[in-house]
Amino acid sequence: EVQLVESGGGLVQPGGSLRLSCAASGFMLSDYWMNWVRQAPGRGLEWVANIKQDGGKIHYGDSVRGRFTISRDNAKNSLHLQMNSLTVEDTAVYFCARDQSTGWSDYFDNWGQGTLVTVSS
Amino acid sequence: ETVLTQSPATLSLSPGERATLSCRASQSLGTSLGWYQQKPGQAPRLLIFGASNRAAGIPARFSGGGSGTDFTLTISSLEPEDFAVYYCQQHSYSITFGQGTRLEIK
Repeated sequence: EVQLVESGGGLVQPGGSLRLSCAASGFMLSDYWMNWVRQAPGRGLEWVANIKQDGGKIHYGDSVRGRFTISRDNAKNSLHLQMNSLTVEDTAVYFCARDQSTGWSDYFDNWGQGTLVTVSS
Repeated sequence: ETVLTQSPATLSLSPGERATLSCRASQSLGTSLGWYQQKPGQAPRLLIFGASNRAAGIPARFSGGGSGTDFTLTISSLEPEDFAVYYCQQHSYSITFGQGTRLEIK
């Protein structure tokens, strides 16, 4: 069974940093593009970033580019999101999501349960 | 940024009725559009990819259509478990989601 489990969320002050992790099981992480998607409280979905199977290609959404860094450790079956210079607008549940295809599809067929990041003073 | 506009914002229907949800893109996407269902406190679930292809395990009552800038998600006969929020998502120009349509019980 495919499982994605996020961790690392919490309360952080504006300007602070946080590192999220996603532990993958039930499939070979190295076979898939992986993504982070977030959802502010009571709001819609916003794609944050994705990373190719070998880490050789990375893309970011406009609102996080230059502040967030996505990375992966296939040997440890883990995905990460380093978040710097956080603002209140970054407050959201952060989901890791697997690409649907072992090629590249940009649709997300497996999601974690999410981890809440709250940016507040 | 490619903007996806979903309508209506809220749709009130009864079980057994047909639901038609719309997603309009600010520029042509070909068929690079998907649909997701999200229930409270849960992660989204992929329903449709490539505008009209059902994802694995999705019941046949869900169907997607359209191309270019206008897309629809149709639920042929609503079941009680279908009442949720639905999002469209494009990947032609980066990746963006629509703002969602809430499907509620009338």
